[in-house]
Amino acid sequence: QSVLTQPPSVSGAPGQRVTISCTGSSSNIGAGYDVHWYQQLPGAAPKLLIYVNSNRPSGVPDRFSGSKSGTSASLAITGLQAEDEADYYCQSYDTRLSGSMVFGGGTKLTVL
Amino acid sequence: QVQLVQSGAEVKRPGASVKVSCKASGYSFSGYDINWVRQATGQGLEWMGWMNPKSGNTGYAQKFQGRVTITYSSSMTTAYMDLSSLKSEDTAVYYCARARNVRGTITTAYYFDYWGQGTLVTVSS
Repeated sequence: QSVLTQPPSVSGAPGQRVTISCTGSSSNIGAGYDVHWYQQLPGAAPKLLIYVNSNRPSGVPDRFSGSKSGTSASLAITGLQAEDEADYYCQSYDTRLSGSMVFGGGTKLTVL
Repeated sequence: QVQLVQSGAEVKRPGASVKVSCKASGYSFSGYDINWVRQATGQGLEWMGWMNPKSGNTGYAQKFQGRVTITYSSSMTTAYMDLSSLKSEDTAVYYCARARNVRGTITTAYYFDYWGQGTLVTVSS
């Protein structure tokens, strides 16, 4: 059971918009710790997609956006493309257990 | 360009230890923490620990305390992750990742901007 909760799967047709939620608690996101997102294509290492809630690294299309409010964060993908089919993970910091980095359980995005 | 290149796949017996290396290039090795994250087949990402190559400081997830040791060689710009008393549940792909420590919304934000290609460790009798 992950400290950050994500839906196991989401899907959408090409061109559509999908969102992936990441729900935490008062010991992580709710305490003000920022959220970061990673994309993991099949068989590949994770890749940084969004950092500090809503910032995109160079090279990441502006179809990807992030937001954070209260104890939750969201990743939105607009204009879905076939190559967006991947697993997506949120990450933050948690003050419990002597402090540690924590990940969501991951969300599998299927492009229909 | 920043690169993290990990050592090859390993097969170990239960109770043994494994040491995975992560060779960094393309940036100042001492300027960034290296973290280790693992992923069992079909499962999510699990953070294991970090080390700072400048101070030598380390920190480990409570789950792995006493079993994991992260070390480094500055001259070789290489980080190492040693996991002992291996169990079948330790079968996973192990990743090293470079960490960024930046000013966040309220406090310091810590995230992973570059990742190694992963090393499969199989624990089987």
